[in-house]
Amino acid sequence: AQSVTQLGSHVSVSEGALVLLRCNYSSSVPPYLFWYVQYPNQGLQLLLKYTTGATLVKGINGFEAEFKKSETSFHLTKPSAHMSDAAEYFCAVTAADRGSTLGRLYFGRGTQLTVWP
Amino acid sequence: DAGVIQSPRHEVTEMGQEVTLRCKPISGHNSLFWYRQTMMRGLELLIYFNNNVPIDDSGMPEDRFSAKMPNASFSTLKIQPSEPRDSAVYFCASSLNRGGARFGTDTQYFGPGTRLTVL
Repeated sequence: AQSVTQLGSHVSVSEGALVLLRCNYSSSVPPYLFWYVQYPNQGLQLLLKYTTGATLVKGINGFEAEFKKSETSFHLTKPSAHMSDAAEYFCAVTAADRGSTLGRLYFGRGTQLTVWP
Repeated sequence: DAGVIQSPRHEVTEMGQEVTLRCKPISGHNSLFWYRQTMMRGLELLIYFNNNVPIDDSGMPEDRFSAKMPNASFSTLKIQPSEPRDSAVYFCASSLNRGGARFGTDTQYFGPGTRLTVL
């Protein structure tokens, strides 16, 4: 079975500061990992995803995440926060094998990012 | 591309009434997902379809909920009768499931959601 834990339901940073949003996963098979962002009153949109290959993944808006198998983590970072980054961020995992979980994503509870001027 | 289209965007109804939410996935996508988002429970998968066939409906709360996908370009989620605890934002998402070596890598594209309030 797959599951995701996001440490910290709320994170606050100053504009220009480092953003670090934590995600740990549990998976019985090699995982595919995703970060989605949700702006107020909108649906979720993909920031980045890890499938295979390079463990450091770059996404949109300057975000990146690193897959660390030994730590079962996929933390999201951005060197310098911008006011427009204020949103809710969701980490998700999906199974890399066939079966009844075909295409299913398992989401974490989300982390609300606040950026102070 | 118009993206995933959901209607209505907002729905206010009274307890006991039937509610129908609609979704038009992105053209060419073959997987469709219905999610519910609440403060208490976060984002929950209710049901998903692959090639118009329901694959997993284990997330559907109870018999009051039903979902259909009569063709590749349309899906409905129906609640009958509705209850105040059904109040939530309901999202529809679609993806192109390529299977094979790319299985599980598919990006899901979300609609803007329907905010349901049951009084």
